[in-house]
Amino acid sequence: DAGVIQSPRHEVTEMGQEVTLRCKPISGHNSLFWYRQTMMRGLELLIYFNNNVPIDDSGMPEDRFSAKMPNASFSTLKIQPSEPRDSAVYFCASTPRGGLAGGDTQYFGPGTRLTVL
Amino acid sequence: DQQVKQNSPSLSVQEGRISILNCDYTNSMFDYFLWYKKYPAEGPTFLISISSIKDKNEDGRFTVFLNKSAKHLSLHIVPSQPGDSAVYFCAARRMDSSYKLIFGSGTRLLVRP
Repeated sequence: DAGVIQSPRHEVTEMGQEVTLRCKPISGHNSLFWYRQTMMRGLELLIYFNNNVPIDDSGMPEDRFSAKMPNASFSTLKIQPSEPRDSAVYFCASTPRGGLAGGDTQYFGPGTRLTVL
Repeated sequence: DQQVKQNSPSLSVQEGRISILNCDYTNSMFDYFLWYKKYPAEGPTFLISISSIKDKNEDGRFTVFLNKSAKHLSLHIVPSQPGDSAVYFCAARRMDSSYKLIFGSGTRLLVRP
């Protein structure tokens, strides 16, 4: 079974450029999460979608970040314009249902390592 | 404001011995705790969890203990194997925002052959 798929796996860009990260959740999962992992802040939730609707975007650091989920099988995280401090590993995760009821766990993708020069 | 803390950044254990990874939390609203394991260049994978109504949960070589009064949980791996070498993250959720996991900073475990 295919897990969560993320692309690209690595992205190197220059400051000021637009960056788009992509995620395909596990088929049948209706919740999707974007996380960022940095040395300073660890693993932190950026945004949570349930049934393609953003439920909590309080973790999105600033207006340069935006996320969309146009359908149940695809989501994007966009940074425009990118800055060096955005360099991090970005993970996408999905769960079968909303929240973590009944022992649901979040299944993580392999991550996208972003480097902004 | 770190609500979930893993104070030991690394741990080295001999193969066959017990590994004990610790985690402390500050928020009494947390009602569910999880451990994730992460290998390099991969995403975290779920390992084991425990509800706040329990004090122990066991799954094969992995056991998680919860001490609510001390706001402390620990993951025991017995016996440790070289394949257990990875970064282990403790995570917690609040009862009023069950989708949101708060992660610790991780502990890197090295199991020496």
